[in-house]
Amino acid sequence: AQSVTQLDSQVPVFEEAPVELRCNYSSSVSVYLFWYVQYPNQGLQLLLKYLSGSTLVESINGFEAEFNKSQTSFHLRKPSVHISDTAEYFCAVTQIQGAQKLVFGQGTRLTINP
Amino acid sequence: GAVVSQHPSWVICKSGTSVKIECRSLDFQATTMFWYRQFPKQSLMLMATSNEGSKATYEQGVEKDKFLINHASLTLSTLTVTSAHPEDSSFYICSAPRGIFTEAFFGQGTRLTVV
Repeated sequence: AQSVTQLDSQVPVFEEAPVELRCNYSSSVSVYLFWYVQYPNQGLQLLLKYLSGSTLVESINGFEAEFNKSQTSFHLRKPSVHISDTAEYFCAVTQIQGAQKLVFGQGTRLTINP
Repeated sequence: GAVVSQHPSWVICKSGTSVKIECRSLDFQATTMFWYRQFPKQSLMLMATSNEGSKATYEQGVEKDKFLINHASLTLSTLTVTSAHPEDSSFYICSAPRGIFTEAFFGQGTRLTVV
């Protein structure tokens, strides 16, 4: 079984400041890793994913995440945030073999202040 | 990109009635879909895996008779909340992986309020 821990339930930052949202996972098998973003009363949108290859993955809107196998982490970062980045962010994993179920972390609410 | 459409986006119903939520994959076929439940300010909890042409697989603690799932075609799965009670009020979200799993596409979610 897999589990995901997002250490921060809320992260307030000022506009144009850098941000890091932390994610650690636990799994006895190899996994794929994802970050999803959720705006109020909406479903989830994929932000970025790690499947294989380069451990640093990037999204089109400036976010990046680095897969660290030894630390079992997949932290999300952005060097300069915008007001529009205000949302709930979920880290998730799924095992590579077998059932395609996503296991989510608790979520981190990112609030950008002007 | 792939789109999953969920309907309705919100519904209010009286206690004791049943509510059906639809989840459609619009531009791809999904032999498997997933139903999640999300409480306010909490994460998504997987309720069940919907399998086209066969019975759904429910997670531990989820009542099969209360949350009926039907996956009658490769593009449609439905979740029916039967004899709804106020504690069933929640945000329900469906998702569908496309092909070999590399990403799950999510519906817009359904806000269910039972009064």
